[in-house]
Amino acid sequence: GENVEQHPSTLSVQEGDSAVIKCTYSDSASNYFPWYKQELGKRPQLIIDIRSNVGEKKDQRIAVTLNKTAKHFSLHITETQPEDSAVYFCAASSRAGGTSYGKLTFGQGTILTVHP
Amino acid sequence: EPEVTQTPSHQVTQMGQEVILRCVPISNHLYFYWYRQILGQKVEFLVSFYNNEISEKSEIFDDQFSVERPDGSNFTLKIRSTKLEDSAMYFCASKLMNTEAFFGQGTRLTVV
Repeated sequence: GENVEQHPSTLSVQEGDSAVIKCTYSDSASNYFPWYKQELGKRPQLIIDIRSNVGEKKDQRIAVTLNKTAKHFSLHITETQPEDSAVYFCAASSRAGGTSYGKLTFGQGTILTVHP
Repeated sequence: EPEVTQTPSHQVTQMGQEVILRCVPISNHLYFYWYRQILGQKVEFLVSFYNNEISEKSEIFDDQFSVERPDGSNFTLKIRSTKLEDSAMYFCASKLMNTEAFFGQGTRLTVV
């Protein structure tokens, strides 16, 4: 089955700096890669996702890159703010339909702390 | 904005007791999931449900677990005889074929 590895486990940055979190996956059939932000005691919230037919996607201060050949994808947050502090999870999935039912395999999470 | 809702938000139960966690997925969604997250750890897949049957389950989802969609709106997870290690946050999620998964706010299960 799919295995997703995420690094680093903790990341501490100063406000205004950039933060990069990296994930690798094992199953070449995976074609959907979401990133979730989870605040303490809350549900995971999707912040950005990318499908395997594109290499990069950007939404304001957040961007995700995907390298299918190397089976890795990364989250980039620019101009970090204290409210970006949370746990970030990457995940991999195959599109629901056919023999796949869209389950998400999560990475271990990265605790991001942005210091004012 | 439609959302997935879960009840209760917190459940405390004695070891060996049965618990039922309830979820109301988004109404037109087709795929339903339960995930769990032990405190401080990653979110783990338990089971997926499609077309009124289990489509996939993980090793965690043993005979003590079952799911049901009894009335076309609710989606329940039952744990027959809870163990201490079942203590976790349980998330329900739903989606359409090509959309993101929407997560409920979770039920914190504490087994004592």
